[in-house]
Amino acid sequence: GESVGLHLPTLSVQEGDNSIINCAYSNSASDYFIWYKQESGKGPQFIIDIRSNMDKRQGQRVTVLLNKTVKHLSLQIAATQPGDSAVYFCAEVHAGNNRKLIWGLGTSLAVNP
Amino acid sequence: GAVVSQHPSWVICKSGTSVKIECRSLDFQATTMFWYRQFPKQSLMLMATSNEGSKATYEQGVEKDKFLINHASLTLSTLTVTSAHPEDSSFYICSARSGGVEDTQYFGPGTRLTVL
Repeated sequence: GESVGLHLPTLSVQEGDNSIINCAYSNSASDYFIWYKQESGKGPQFIIDIRSNMDKRQGQRVTVLLNKTVKHLSLQIAATQPGDSAVYFCAEVHAGNNRKLIWGLGTSLAVNP
Repeated sequence: GAVVSQHPSWVICKSGTSVKIECRSLDFQATTMFWYRQFPKQSLMLMATSNEGSKATYEQGVEKDKFLINHASLTLSTLTVTSAHPEDSSFYICSARSGGVEDTQYFGPGTRLTVL
């Protein structure tokens, strides 16, 4: 029979451009959010986090924005490099489920040289 | 800091055998460790939460007798897949959290299990 595979949303950018990856989270009670980067065949790598009492946090070449009104999280990567190619997952945490990670679907970032 | 290792990185076994996967936090004490399974092009699926010195808490639909978890110390948790079958073939990933007010989970590199 024919199998149906899942297709991750894909963002394709040129090297050097800025990338914006978006995530809609599910629970208005979530108070902590994390972005992870996962390269093929590897475990997720922590990139940046933000607590709900903030709306912006910056790291090295990355910025996370949190809009609690519309339950939206974004990850901005400045001057995207080929090494940034990976799948990016957002995750939310709230007290209601023992502070386990609730994962978003993931976005595949492809950087074109 | 916050390094988590897994061993082995990949394993191939025959159907019916058991496989043990180790997860270690190398530079911090992990009061809680998590075991995940990941299918291609999907996000991680939590299998169980493991607290040091106590029994693991399994997610709905995960057979505790099939996936044995032991969290014997603050730096080591093991997952044993018992009587493995081809449908158990997957990418297994552990994570560790230091506890207290710390929410961040740090992940191991994953273990690719192939059951023939």
